[in-house]
Amino acid sequence: DVVMTQSPLSLPVSLGQPASISCRSSQSLVYSDGKTYLNWFQQRPGQSPRRLIYKVSNRDSGVPDRFSGSGSGTDFTLKISRVEAEDVGVYYCLQGTHWPWTFGQGTKVEIK
Amino acid sequence: QVQLVQSGAEVKEPGASVKVSCKASGFTFTDYTLHWVRQAPGQRLEWMGWMNAGTGNTKYSQIFQGRVTLTRDTSASTAYMELSSLRYEDTAVYYCARDSGFDSWGQGTLVTVSS
Repeated sequence: DVVMTQSPLSLPVSLGQPASISCRSSQSLVYSDGKTYLNWFQQRPGQSPRRLIYKVSNRDSGVPDRFSGSGSGTDFTLKISRVEAEDVGVYYCLQGTHWPWTFGQGTKVEIK
Repeated sequence: QVQLVQSGAEVKEPGASVKVSCKASGFTFTDYTLHWVRQAPGQRLEWMGWMNAGTGNTKYSQIFQGRVTLTRDTSASTAYMELSSLRYEDTAVYYCARDSGFDSWGQGTLVTVSS
């Protein structure tokens, strides 16, 4: 199985400051169709996961533009340009290129 | 709008089975695949399996092979996940999610395995 490794696992951030989460895969996530199936999810306390970013860098409808995704191959990053209080939660990456789909272990974002 | 509404919390004894439902609305059920994902306390999200709601074709994670069964009732736009031979470590919140992009999720169903 493809192992997804996130870092850091805990990220205390001051309000208004940037945050960056890394996600590394044990194999390239480029599929045979040339696309890269790497998504990012936010899980606020007590809620279901919500997709923020799909196929590396495409922001979902309604997701604030302070969230951005980038990367290629095996290295991917989720950035929050200016953290707000509502961004507190756990963030997960998910690869959908190789079966079975696998998630990262999650990064907990909290306000410092 | 797209909605996935899951059935309520369950408490089961070890060795029993549980069946969780996921009712879809706001889209054509049979045009999509549905995934099931679980989250044990303090653990990462874990993919369990996938079903094509149109054809009924399924694919399961090897971890759950033989214990999980995904089915659907197209007339009710509802998908089901049944997990058998429950163990204490199956205590988790179980989610359904739409499509290979996991673009919408149910609210989750807590399954507690306890004697």
